[in-house]
Amino acid sequence: QKEVEQNSGPLSVPEGAIASLNCTYSDRVSQSFFWYRQYSGKSPELIMSIYSNGDKEDGRFTAQLNKASQYVSLLIRDSQPSDSATYLCAVNRVTGGGNKLTFGTGTQLKVEL
Amino acid sequence: KAGVTQTPRYLIKTRGQQVTLSCSPISGHRSVSWYQQTPGQGLQFLFEYFSETQRNKGNFPGRFSGRQFSNSRSEMNVSTLELGDSALYLCASSLVPDKNNEQFFGPGTRLTVL
Repeated sequence: QKEVEQNSGPLSVPEGAIASLNCTYSDRVSQSFFWYRQYSGKSPELIMSIYSNGDKEDGRFTAQLNKASQYVSLLIRDSQPSDSATYLCAVNRVTGGGNKLTFGTGTQLKVEL
Repeated sequence: KAGVTQTPRYLIKTRGQQVTLSCSPISGHRSVSWYQQTPGQGLQFLFEYFSETQRNKGNFPGRFSGRQFSNSRSEMNVSTLELGDSALYLCASSLVPDKNNEQFFGPGTRLTVL
């Protein structure tokens, strides 16, 4: 079982729709959770962080965390063509005295006109 | 505020050579982590540095090493390069190595091993 799992997609949504991206993780002691956006040929860009159960909203983005189900999701409202990218879920836990950020393989999102 | 910078941006090396990559964190950030990104394996953690000390290491062979300087700048070195080391090497910085630390990535160094 992979430590962080994401559906690779592509996930296609029409412009203006809600895109829902999901991520599950295997290590129950994971403590913090992040979503990164990566455009083709570019480096990952942090868009959301979430640390406690529930929802966290920032503009058109909402991150949701359910530690009991070991599940993290990202909702993108009013999706725009510029949101087309790969979205990486990352899970952090402290191990061996330091942090280790483990990434999923990413979900490719395509927002169609 | 300037972001994370990495040099060089592109490198071409041959098998058996060694390479050193450099990373300058965001001003005020004291923790630096390194990652390798490949199409097959995705983003994989290499190491984390804070206060010139390696705090954590991923599952990579000893050919991969790194260090951090007193100004928080970091370098990573790969010796005896193999074809499979071709990848995008990413550096990320954070304020301190807290469990809730938000890491910000540099543009990466694209290494090609021939």
